[in-house]
Amino acid sequence: GESVGLHLPTLSVQEGDNSIINCAYSNSASDYFIWYKQESGKGPQFIIDIRSNMDKRQGQRVTVLLNKTVKHLSLQIAATQPGDSAVYFCAENSKDTGRRALTFGSGTRLQVQP
Amino acid sequence: DAGVIQSPRHEVTEMGQEVTLRCKPISGHDYLFWYRQTMMRGLELLIYFNNNVPIDDSGMPEDRFSAKMPNASFSTLKIQPSEPRDSAVYFCASSWASSPGEAFFGQGTRLTVV
Repeated sequence: GESVGLHLPTLSVQEGDNSIINCAYSNSASDYFIWYKQESGKGPQFIIDIRSNMDKRQGQRVTVLLNKTVKHLSLQIAATQPGDSAVYFCAENSKDTGRRALTFGSGTRLQVQP
Repeated sequence: DAGVIQSPRHEVTEMGQEVTLRCKPISGHDYLFWYRQTMMRGLELLIYFNNNVPIDDSGMPEDRFSAKMPNASFSTLKIQPSEPRDSAVYFCASSWASSPGEAFFGQGTRLTVV
């Protein structure tokens, strides 16, 4: 994760469309990745995670893809709903360091247009 | 379980005053994390505990910040003396040892130092 600037990248989609939110990471030793959703005025909420021995994991309406070659992570939301409007963060962790805390990325704001 | 409970939700204080933020983690969780969120720097880890023992406090910005976890159900983050640049939303989160990435966040404390 990197420090964030004043402006979050924003993805605007129409209700019912699919959304793809991207995240790049820099630590080659990272072996565990998580997506969080943060709604206005609330704390981040866990969505889905994936370990480095996988390249895809599916949940309910969400899919996470991991490309370790280019250090890229994406979150796909199917049939996006107004309730999906939030800021989405990717986070990473490395077991090698023994550090159990997560490092968060800068976030992407998802706006769903009705 | 009511989730991670933080208090107060909002705190406005004058520069130089002591501020104490409180957190009650989810019962049974092994890890407790304190994060700070600002527009400029995003979500930053301040400190985390494992079984009430501080493990990594490298994110604590200065000696003005201190954190304690006297028992498994309570933690505090203290700032003394507070400064305007400490203004941020402070989050407490907790997780099980078996799922370090699935941290459950509280609602946060919005601190304003004037």
